[in-house]
Amino acid sequence: DTGVSQDPRHKITKRGQNVTFRCDPISEHNRLYWYRQTLGQGPEFLTYFQNEAQLEKSRLLSDRFSAERPKGSFSTLEIQRTEQGDSAMYLCASTGGTGPNNEQFFGPGTRLTVL
Amino acid sequence: DAKTTQPNSMESNEEEPVHLPCNHSTISGTDYIHWYRQLPSQGPEYVIHGLTSNVNNRMASLAIAEDRKSSTLILHRATLRDAAVYYCILRDSNQAGTALIFGKGTTLSVSS
Repeated sequence: DTGVSQDPRHKITKRGQNVTFRCDPISEHNRLYWYRQTLGQGPEFLTYFQNEAQLEKSRLLSDRFSAERPKGSFSTLEIQRTEQGDSAMYLCASTGGTGPNNEQFFGPGTRLTVL
Repeated sequence: DAKTTQPNSMESNEEEPVHLPCNHSTISGTDYIHWYRQLPSQGPEYVIHGLTSNVNNRMASLAIAEDRKSSTLILHRATLRDAAVYYCILRDSNQAGTALIFGKGTTLSVSS
């Protein structure tokens, strides 16, 4: 399968711990996006990369959140000092090209539960 | 991105057509209309997009009003697998690469 993959699929952590999620986009897709989705809501944009450059960050991305895409391939999203409000599904998407109509391909998400 | 308005939920019977409406009265001339859907426990997936003319693909049809202030996603024969949340999203063609702005979408239930 050559779709977008995310790891882990589920993560349970205690408040105050750090967590890191990984996203592997479709090979050669130059744009990679992170979204967060809470129950009953649509996904909300967090940040996106073009190759290794982080081009945009949402106001939702507090200073406890950091994302990287060091070699323009996979990406990681780290949350430091987790809070219960961070509990959500974290979705990764990728797309090739730069057109506004390029389809975004989503991964299955990482569900984070902060106790 | 301009705002879209969709009903919270809709119900359908299997093998019947489904018309999912979307209002976007403040759409600009450079906005494309995109539809994504999210099946239970999965990430969203692309369904279809269009600008002015009606569009068809293997998954659905998109009917766009002449004034472009509304559109309708048409599933010609709903199946149980079409039960999902459907999102109508506007994308500005002048802003390549920007993120998708999701609303709450329409939750479609399909009964056998």
